[in-house]
Amino acid sequence: DGGITQSPKYLFRKEGQNVTLSCEQNLNHDAMYWYRQDPGQGLRLIYYSQIVNDFQKGDIAEGYSVSREKKESFPLTVTSAQKNPTAFYLCASRSDPGRGLGQPQHFGDGTRLSIL
Amino acid sequence: AQTVTQSQPEMSVQEAETVTLSCTYDTSESNYYLFWYKQPPSRQMILVIRQEAYKQQNATENRFSVNFQKAAKSFSLKISDSQLGDTAMYFCAFNAGGTSYGKLTFGQGTILTVHP
Repeated sequence: DGGITQSPKYLFRKEGQNVTLSCEQNLNHDAMYWYRQDPGQGLRLIYYSQIVNDFQKGDIAEGYSVSREKKESFPLTVTSAQKNPTAFYLCASRSDPGRGLGQPQHFGDGTRLSIL
Repeated sequence: AQTVTQSQPEMSVQEAETVTLSCTYDTSESNYYLFWYKQPPSRQMILVIRQEAYKQQNATENRFSVNFQKAAKSFSLKISDSQLGDTAMYFCAFNAGGTSYGKLTFGQGTILTVHP
């Protein structure tokens, strides 16, 4: 079955450490997104990518970095510059944005990141 | 800037009854889509229903329907015959053209609890 796979499910970060969250999709979608969700709150956009080798900052990009070397993969690195990284991270994908605004985003199961 | 507001942090309903979740939004765009997503305790985001701004007819998906009032910028979700499996956090989301093309803006969410 097609879908989005996020790994790991749980991740712990030490002070001063960079960690990378994986997101892989086999839906052949062009666009991919990373969101952060804090307890009891909505989703905030970190980064997004419409095509391979191109990505844009979202609303809260500081302290994060991404790459998009393959269509299927959009890893997110939480750097040591992100002082409050504890949150639930969701990856999403969407088919060609040129097909219209109504194409929904499909989500992975998320990664919970905590500080040690 | 585009914003989405869900004014009900929490709601509860008895099984088999009907409940309505509120959502208002603000945008200067004329063409856009609105979505309701459900996030059960498993944390996976599931698309419930979507509505195109140009369509006057309200969208319906089985027990889920919307009341879309474009002039009032209101997009409420009605759940009929509520079931225990409807217990989840519900997010209203907005996707417009212009510079925000392809990006979703989410509300803060409403936690719905269905009681037996």
